[in-house]
Amino acid sequence: QKEVEQNSGPLSVPEGAIASLNCTYSDRGSQSFFWYRQYSGKSPELIMFIYSNGDKEDGRFTAQLNKASQYVSLLIRDSQPSDSATYLCAHQDTNKLIFGTGTLLAVQP
Amino acid sequence: GAGVSQTPSNKVTEKGKYVELRCDPISGHTALYWYRQSLGQGPEFLIYFQGTGAADDSGLPNDRFFAVRPEGSVSTLKIQRTERGDSAVYLCASSLETGRPYEQYFGPGTRLTVT
Repeated sequence: QKEVEQNSGPLSVPEGAIASLNCTYSDRGSQSFFWYRQYSGKSPELIMFIYSNGDKEDGRFTAQLNKASQYVSLLIRDSQPSDSATYLCAHQDTNKLIFGTGTLLAVQP
Repeated sequence: GAGVSQTPSNKVTEKGKYVELRCDPISGHTALYWYRQSLGQGPEFLIYFQGTGAADDSGLPNDRFFAVRPEGSVSTLKIQRTERGDSAVYLCASSLETGRPYEQYFGPGTRLTVT
């Protein structure tokens, strides 16, 4: 059973729109959650992490965590074609990260 | 400064052969992680080192896989009797401290193809 679930996509949004990426997890004890961006053929790059329920904003990115619903999301405002990538959701399990399969985002110019 | 480096960037080998993949972490980083990423999947944890010792090797799929970090810096992932199912991108990451994986910096990966 996968511990982190993501819709593989592709999620297609027009340039300037808000992209909403979602992730659910099964481990109720999970405390820390991460969003990584991975361009095709490249390695993952950390863009956001969140530990507390609620929203965390960083520039055009907002991470949202709802521990009761075991749900974490990433919003990208004013989406740009350069945001087109696979977005990986992960949670911390002791000293390692458990990743979802990723959602492919395509921002259409 | 220099990031995590991995060599080779690509490796093609025949089924049954032995391969070694190398990771050179960021200088001063004590924690080092190996992940494997298959096509269309997220990275899958293999093993993590704190210093020279393997603190968690629970992700290694079987005893054909082994990793070392003899001097607490460079690490080598070793795969014996390779199988076609071992084909994937092998990612290495390092961080300054343990218990803080959000500071993990990933290398560019080694793409392993077993024919």
